[in-house]
Amino acid sequence: DIQMTQSPSSLSASVGDRVTFTCRASENIRSFLNWFQQKPGKAPELLIYSASKLQNGVPSRFSGSGSGTDFTLTISSLQPEDFATYYCQQNYITPLTFGGGTKVEI
Amino acid sequence: EVHLVESGGGLVQPGGSLRLSCSASGFTFSDHEMNWVRQAPGKGLEWVSYISSVDGTTYYADSVEGRFTISRDNAKNSLSLQMNSLRVEDTAVYYCVRVDIVKGWDYWGQGTLVSVSS
Repeated sequence: DIQMTQSPSSLSASVGDRVTFTCRASENIRSFLNWFQQKPGKAPELLIYSASKLQNGVPSRFSGSGSGTDFTLTISSLQPEDFATYYCQQNYITPLTFGGGTKVEI
Repeated sequence: EVHLVESGGGLVQPGGSLRLSCSASGFTFSDHEMNWVRQAPGKGLEWVSYISSVDGTTYYADSVEGRFTISRDNAKNSLSLQMNSLRVEDTAVYYCVRVDIVKGWDYWGQGTLVSVSS
């Protein structure tokens, strides 16, 4: 199974900060990588697909990059509504696996 | 507008069974692969099962293989998950997720809670 490792598991930041988190796959997954945002009590929402493509309606302050085994999600200027947990997920091969998440706190 | 609405969750004893449903609307259901994903209380996301759009090909996580069965009724725009031999560790919110051929996992339902306890 492909293991997805996210770091850090949590981070504290302020409104306006630039934040970057990473996701590492245990094997080459090319660009088959999604990023999701989840707020407490809500279903996850797709932010980025195919490693770097922005889902419709997602603010342009979000961006994704990477391919192969190393990926990053960047929020260029953190907004109050961005405090949430972020998950990466590989959809290259089953079992489809998620990273453990990065919780962004104030 | 795309809507996915799960139902069928509840409290069940270990060893029991439950059938989850996901009602889809706002898109051509038969065109899309679907998944079930779960999230145990306070934990991360875990993929459970996948079904293809046309030929019914299915895949399962090792943790549910042989106990859970995914199915779909394209005429009724409905996805199901039959869960047998339930264990305490199956306790979670279960989400159905649509797969877009380009954008991947683009829509999630609101989830339904399954609690397995004696």
